[in-house]
Amino acid sequence: DGGITQSPKYLFRKEGQNVTLSCEQNLNHDAMYWYRQDPGQGLRLIYYSQIVNDFQKGDIAEGYSVSREKKESFPLTVTSAQKNPTAFYLCASSSGNFGNTIYFGEGSWLTVV
Amino acid sequence: AQSVTQPDIHITVSEGASLELRCNYSYGATPYLFWYVQSPGQGLQLLLKYFSGDTLVQGIKGFEAEFKRSQSSFNLRKPSVHWSDAAEYFCAVGGSNTGKLIFGQGTTLQVKP
Repeated sequence: DGGITQSPKYLFRKEGQNVTLSCEQNLNHDAMYWYRQDPGQGLRLIYYSQIVNDFQKGDIAEGYSVSREKKESFPLTVTSAQKNPTAFYLCASSSGNFGNTIYFGEGSWLTVV
Repeated sequence: AQSVTQPDIHITVSEGASLELRCNYSYGATPYLFWYVQSPGQGLQLLLKYFSGDTLVQGIKGFEAEFKRSQSSFNLRKPSVHWSDAAEYFCAVGGSNTGKLIFGQGTTLQVKP
């Protein structure tokens, strides 16, 4: 089935560690996005990529890094510099063309212990 | 500043009753508006979107929304709520890059039998 696959679903991280969240899509979409969701705050954009080998910071990029080496993959690394990383992370993709629907993955829960 | 406000954090309605979820936005350019629904621990599903044309937009699951430019609003409605509609609802606004969305804080809908 076509869609966006995020893994792992649940991840625990010790303070001071970097962790990488995987996002893969088989929708042949050009654009991919990472959002962070905190209770009562809606979703906030971390990074986005409109084409392979290119990406831009969103509203809350500090403490995060991404890469876009392949069209179908957009991994997010939560670094130790991120002060409050415990959150629900959502990956999304779209064809990038105006008016097209954005599809979301099922999300990954990251908890710092 | 660009923002989306959902004034109601939590709404409870009886099954079969009508529903209206409020959304107000502030956006400098022509707004493109969206409503998403999220079940607990899951990703987001697009209910409907407004880009241009008819200001009354029909979506999936029997939902509709009306764009009112003069009031900067995009309220979501459903004439008869079903128990399966219980979820969190997010309003979002974006521009030509439709993945860069600004989300409201969300409204949690509870449905009483």
